[in-house]
Amino acid sequence: EILLTQSPGTLSLSPGERATLSCRASQSVSSSYLAWYQQKPGQAPRLLIYGASSRATGIPDRFSGSGSGTDFTLTISRLEPEDFAVYYCQQYGSSLTWTFGQGTKVEIK
Amino acid sequence: EVQLVQSGAEVKKPGESLKISCEGSGYSFTTYWIGWVRQMPGKGLEWMGTIYPGDSYTTYSPSFQGQVTISVDKSISTAYLQWSSLKASDTAIYYCARHGTHYYYMDVWGKGTTVTVSS
Repeated sequence: EILLTQSPGTLSLSPGERATLSCRASQSVSSSYLAWYQQKPGQAPRLLIYGASSRATGIPDRFSGSGSGTDFTLTISRLEPEDFAVYYCQQYGSSLTWTFGQGTKVEIK
Repeated sequence: EVQLVQSGAEVKKPGESLKISCEGSGYSFTTYWIGWVRQMPGKGLEWMGTIYPGDSYTTYSPSFQGQVTISVDKSISTAYLQWSSLKASDTAIYYCARHGTHYYYMDVWGKGTTVTVSS
């Protein structure tokens, strides 16, 4: 089973700053199989990025994903007030299984 | 509009059974996998299992195998998650989510069903 470790646990930043979130896999993951989600308090998760770097429909271009192998990154170029939330990475594993990372909270500094 | 509509909040006692639902609309229900995800209070997301409505093929996380049952009634475009005997530790929000065209990710989510198990 592939484990996903996200860091940092909490990121304290100000609006307008750049956010860099990390997702590390315990084994190599195909880029096609890596996704990122945003979850705001009291809301369901929302798909941001799939295939490691493709933005989902309606996602602003300040969100970008990159990486390969075991190291993946979600970058928010300039934080807007609505971007303060929890972010999860997720990977698809073999034999039809899916795993989430533990999440990174982006909070207002 | 593609959407998943989940059943309402439930309050149950330990040992009781429960079946919650997730109705899909606005797309071809039988051709997209549907997954269930648990979120315990103040915690992260956990994938529980996924079903293919076309043929009811189901895969479970090892952590949830034998603990829950996922099923589907494609005649009414509805997926289900059920428990035969609830425990207090089943208290959580349960989300259903559609797997995308490439089933590696989940592109449409329901709003969640809150299940509270308390004596």
